[in-house]
Amino acid sequence: EVKLVESGGGLVQPGRSLKLSCAASGFNFNDYWMGWVRQAPGKGLEWIGEINKDSSTINYTPSLKDKFTISRDNAQNTLYLQMSKLGSEDTAIYYCARAQREWFDYWGQGVMVTVSS
Amino acid sequence: DIQMTQSPASLSASLGETVTIQCRASEDIYSGLAWYQQKPGKSPQLLIYGASSLQDGVPSRFSGSGSGTQYSLKISSMQTEDEGVYFCQQGLKYPLTFGSGTKLEIK
Repeated sequence: EVKLVESGGGLVQPGRSLKLSCAASGFNFNDYWMGWVRQAPGKGLEWIGEINKDSSTINYTPSLKDKFTISRDNAQNTLYLQMSKLGSEDTAIYYCARAQREWFDYWGQGVMVTVSS
Repeated sequence: DIQMTQSPASLSASLGETVTIQCRASEDIYSGLAWYQQKPGKSPQLLIYGASSLQDGVPSRFSGSGSGTQYSLKISSMQTEDEGVYFCQQGLKYPLTFGSGTKLEIK
């Protein structure tokens, strides 16, 4: 069974950094691109970016490219999202997802990040 | 960026009714389109990819069609468990972009 479990969310002050993790199991992690998508409260879905199998290619949505960094550790079957200079606009549920071509066929349960003083 | 416009924003349907949701891209996306269903408090689930291919495990009452800039998702016989929000997503160009969602409720 494919499982994606995000962790690392919580309350963070504006301007600070936070690193999310996504533990993958039930499939060969090395064989898949992986991505992050977020959803602000009551809003739609926003693609953050995705990383290829060996980390040689990482694509970001332009507005977040200078704030967020996606990485992975294939030995640990884990995907990461490093977020910096956080603002209230970054308050959202963050999902990791397995990419199948340019779609996302499995999603984690999501982790909430709240940016507030 | 490719803009994805969904319509309607919300609709209600009776059990057994056929439902159609539309998605328009700001440019030709050559069938590079997926549909997701999101139930309250849950993560999105892939329903359709490549505009018309049904994801494994998804009931056959769901179908997708379209080409160019115009796409649609059809539910052939509305069921209670189909309530939720539906999103389209283009996969042709980065950044990947989603529609704003269509909230579907039982009438």
